Amino acid sequence: GQQVMQIPQYQHVQEGEDFTTYCNSSTTLSNIQWYKQRPGGHPVFLIQLVKSGEVKKQKRLTFQFGEAKKNSSLHITATQTTDVGTYFCAGLETSGSRLTFGEGTQLTVNP
Amino acid sequence: GAVVSQHPSWVICKSGTSVKIECRSLDFQATTMFWYRQFPKQSLMLMATSNEGSKATYEQGVEKDKFLINHASLTLSTLTVTSAHPEDSSFYICSARDPGGRGTEAFFGQGTRLTVV
Repeated sequence: GQQVMQIPQYQHVQEGEDFTTYCNSSTTLSNIQWYKQRPGGHPVFLIQLVKSGEVKKQKRLTFQFGEAKKNSSLHITATQTTDVGTYFCAGLETSGSRLTFGEGTQLTVNP
Repeated sequence: GAVVSQHPSWVICKSGTSVKIECRSLDFQATTMFWYRQFPKQSLMLMATSNEGSKATYEQGVEKDKFLINHASLTLSTLTVTSAHPEDSSFYICSARDPGGRGTEAFFGQGTRLTVV
């Protein structure tokens, strides 16, 4: 079945440093989605990428979807303590039914 | 975005008892809802897909007789953990997609933290 791998598992940064998490699917995806889960909370949708090579920005967050629609990345510029949480990518199968989550990257930001 | 409400937020139960968790879509109709389980510091593992008016589809390794799913209406799905044991202690989260929305993103409930003692 479809597998979605995400690295790194943990990332500790100083406030102001950049952060990147990478996601790779074993199969071509219909789209890739990114979610953020704060400690003790539930996942919250951030963004969806659909097109091959797509790049989207949300303030300090930059999301990319690979040309083959199998990998993606999330980059945060100049991290802030409010960025703390676990970031999950989730790939939607081409059949459009199953959403498979990566293992997540837990980000901690030291002030 | 669409709102999904999950209840209760946390529950403590004795070993051998059953616990029911409710998942409601508040401002849209969800023909399909998804139930996940999440262990500490781990990812969300899909347990089953709940289909309104029909049987749920369970993932491999998930006991359908232990995790009973009922999706009796377009806005409500329930997960019942039967004869709970301490190893069932976990964070259970439901999600749904809004078929009337523009995207395919999942909207999550707040989650239910189950502790079996």
